Amino acid sequence: KAGVTQTPRYLIKTRGQQVTLSCSPISGHRSVSWYQQTPGQGLQFLFEYFSETQRNKGNFPGRFSGRQFSNSRSEMNVSTLELGDSALYLCASSLEREEDEQFFGPGTRLTVL
Amino acid sequence: AQKVTQAQTEISVVEKEDVTLDCVYETRDTTYYLFWYKQPPSGELVFLIRRNSFDEQNEISGRYSWNFQKSTSSFNFTITASQVVDSAVYFCALSEDRKDSSYKLIFGSGTRLLVRP
Repeated sequence: KAGVTQTPRYLIKTRGQQVTLSCSPISGHRSVSWYQQTPGQGLQFLFEYFSETQRNKGNFPGRFSGRQFSNSRSEMNVSTLELGDSALYLCASSLEREEDEQFFGPGTRLTVL
Repeated sequence: AQKVTQAQTEISVVEKEDVTLDCVYETRDTTYYLFWYKQPPSGELVFLIRRNSFDEQNEISGRYSWNFQKSTSSFNFTITASQVVDSAVYFCALSEDRKDSSYKLIFGSGTRLLVRP
């Protein structure tokens, strides 16, 4: 079974730009979550989507948004990039419920200059 | 509020030594789930174990073992006879039982383990 895939793997943007990251979950998984990892703040939950609906959301500004498509693939968008948005963005997929383990993708390394 | 504390920032051991990674959590819920993940230099988080709050039985998987104690809110991870390939950052995480079954993993700050030959 193929694992979680994320594209692109690396991205360099400048302040003020916007970016879209993509995540394809494991086949059969309906839940997709996004996390931001930075040296200062560690791993922080961004949001979770299930059946095309946002089911949970972390404490991030509205510049961070996401969506999920009918095939469970998900995208996250960050508008008006700031230097502090430089991070590793990890996507995780799981079957359905909060006790199911989440399987993580390799991440997208975003650098904002 | 939920919180996961991994007080050990970095541990360095010599190969074949045993090492224990500590994890202390805080939650008001009676039903919750605890996880351990490994993050090698490649960056991808690798799932190691899940334990629910009703199951305090310790678990052993090869060289890995986990000790879950609700009385002290701890979920510690021990690697026996460590190997260089065990070098990675290890994260402990907490997920609470939610009415809508939604996900929200709360991670600890991680423990970097360096196993020297």
